[in-house]
Amino acid sequence: EVQLLESGGGLEVPGGSLRLSCTASGFNFSNSAMTWVRQIPGKGLEWVSTVSADDGDIYYADSVKGRFTISRDNSKHTLYLQLNTLRAEDTAVYYCAKNSLGTVTSWGQGTLVTVSS
Amino acid sequence: EIVMTQSPATLSVSPEERATLSCRASQSVSSNLAWYQQKRGQAPRLLIYGASTRATGIPARFSGSGSGTEFTLTISSLQSEDFAVYYCQQYNNWPMYTFGQGTKVEIK
Repeated sequence: EVQLLESGGGLEVPGGSLRLSCTASGFNFSNSAMTWVRQIPGKGLEWVSTVSADDGDIYYADSVKGRFTISRDNSKHTLYLQLNTLRAEDTAVYYCAKNSLGTVTSWGQGTLVTVSS
Repeated sequence: EIVMTQSPATLSVSPEERATLSCRASQSVSSNLAWYQQKRGQAPRLLIYGASTRATGIPARFSGSGSGTEFTLTISSLQSEDFAVYYCQQYNNWPMYTFGQGTKVEIK
């Protein structure tokens, strides 16, 4: 069974930084592209970033480009998202998700990031 | 960016009735369309991919159809556990996925 467990969320001031982690199990992590999707509480879903299985290809939404960095450690079965220069509009639940079949097929339970002074 | 538009925003349906949800893409996404179900406080769950293929473990009462720019999710006989928010998502422009704004299916 695919399991994805996010951590690292919390309260941060505008301009601050956070690092989210996602620990994966139940599938071949090293062979899977991985994605972060976020959801403002009570609102819809927004794709944030995707990294290929070998870390060679990385993609970002325009809204986070230059501020967020996605990375992975295949030896630790862990996906990361470094959030810098945080803004109030980055407040959301951040989901880690496994890519397959061309889309995202499994999701973690999410970690809440709140940006407020 | 491909914009996904779902209708209606809210659908009121009685248990065991049929529910039909619509999704329109601003440009063709071929059959690269997925549907997700999200219950309150939970992560989204994949229901349909390839516009019409049910994901593993999804009951047969869920069906998807369409291609190009017009798509439909049908729930043939609503069960109590089906009251939730449903999102469509295009992945034709991989991996720059875009989601619809969601349709809430509520009890009538």
